[in-house]
Formats: sequence, structure tokens, C-alpha cells
Amino acid sequence: GQNIDQPTEMTATEGAIVQINCTYQTSGFNGLFWYQQHAGEAPTFLSYNVLDGLEEKGRFSSFLSRSKGYSYLLLKELQMKDSASYLCAVFNNDMRFGAGTRLTVKP
Amino acid sequence: KAGVTQTPRYLIKTRGQQVTLSCSPISGHRSVSWYQQTPGQGLQFLFEYFSETQRNKGNFPGRFSGRQFSNSRSEMNVSTLELGDSALYLCASSLTSGLTYEQYFGPGTRLTVT
Repeated sequence: GQNIDQPTEMTATEGAIVQINCTYQTSGFNGLFWYQQHAGEAPTFLSYNVLDGLEEKGRFSSFLSRSKGYSYLLLKELQMKDSASYLCAVFNNDMRFGAGTRLTVKP
Repeated sequence: KAGVTQTPRYLIKTRGQQVTLSCSPISGHRSVSWYQQTPGQGLQFLFEYFSETQRNKGNFPGRFSGRQFSNSRSEMNVSTLELGDSALYLCASSLTSGLTYEQYFGPGTRLTVT
């Protein structure tokens, strides 16, 4: 089976940095995705990691360690609009999603 | 460039009926994936189509099926509807197959089964 775990909720302050962790246990692995989903809206793609290491994309970075079954999404210079759910998903012939981390950014 | 469109946006059906949902991908995109999102189960992958062929499949019963046409538009069908099928159904398109490329989601179809 496949388990994908991420914290349920996190709170951070505007302008700060927050790290959202994702651990996974899967029978195979072809890649890991991060998505952002605002309440009532469709998910939007943030990043895709297939090799170990850090992928940086503006204020967002994603890290992967395949040997540890671990990834994190790093959000810098937090803005109020970053308040959303962040979904980690592992691809291996199908796509398995974590339950999502609801991030609240406070002034 | 127009985004992913899904029709209808809202739908109410009765248990036992069947339903067909439609998804038009971004122009030039050849891959369409379907997802089900519910408060209890979260976001779950249904299947992916590329060049009219199903390439990847999630763990859903055979009541859930799909197809893709030569213009890359895709339809998803659910037969013998159950109350638990009430959900937001999302489709996403990407340039190529394998779910490894950036996917763009449509607004979803909210299905209510009574």
C-alpha cells in the first residue's frame, strides 16, 4: 500500500518562512508533486521532483530525498494570499495524494 | 490561451442513474487526467488518457470509466450512481503523458447524488 503523511494544519506569520513536510511509503516511485489549493478552487501545480535535491521556483522551493521517503515544500516571504491547502502527491503508475496541509498566514 | 473547461459545473442525479462529465483541455495538450475530491477521502486519482488511450488508472470500481476523443477532449462516465459518488470531479490537462509534466486543472464539476 501507499501512505502519504503531512501535517494537518500550520500557522505562520506574513513575511516569514514555512516548511511543510511530506513523508511517503510507497511500493514504487516515479515522482512527487506539490499542489496549492485555495478554498473552493481547483488545485494549482507548484512543483515536481523526481531526483533528490532542491528545486527552486521563486518564493517556493521543494526538496526530495528518495532514500528517506521525504519531501518538503518551503515557502519564503509569506504573503496573506499563501493561505491555502498544500497537497503532496506521489506518482507511481497512479497518483496518490496526502490529505493536505492547511496553512494560515497571519499578519 | 483558454484554460481547461469542464461541463456541466453542477449536476444533481438520483441513485442508480448514470452521468457523463466532459473536459476540454488546453489547446495543444494531449493528456487529460480525472480526479475525485471529497471531504472524507480527499483528492483521488481516477485515470489518465493520452492520445485516446488510458495510460494510468487509480483504484476505482469499473463503474467509473472514461474515454478521450481525437481532439483530446475527454469524457468520464459513472454508472449506477451511489450516494458516495457525490464529489467534486476535476480534470487536468498537460502537454504529454505520464503525469510528470505540469498539470492545469479545470474548475470541476460538482456532482450531488440523492
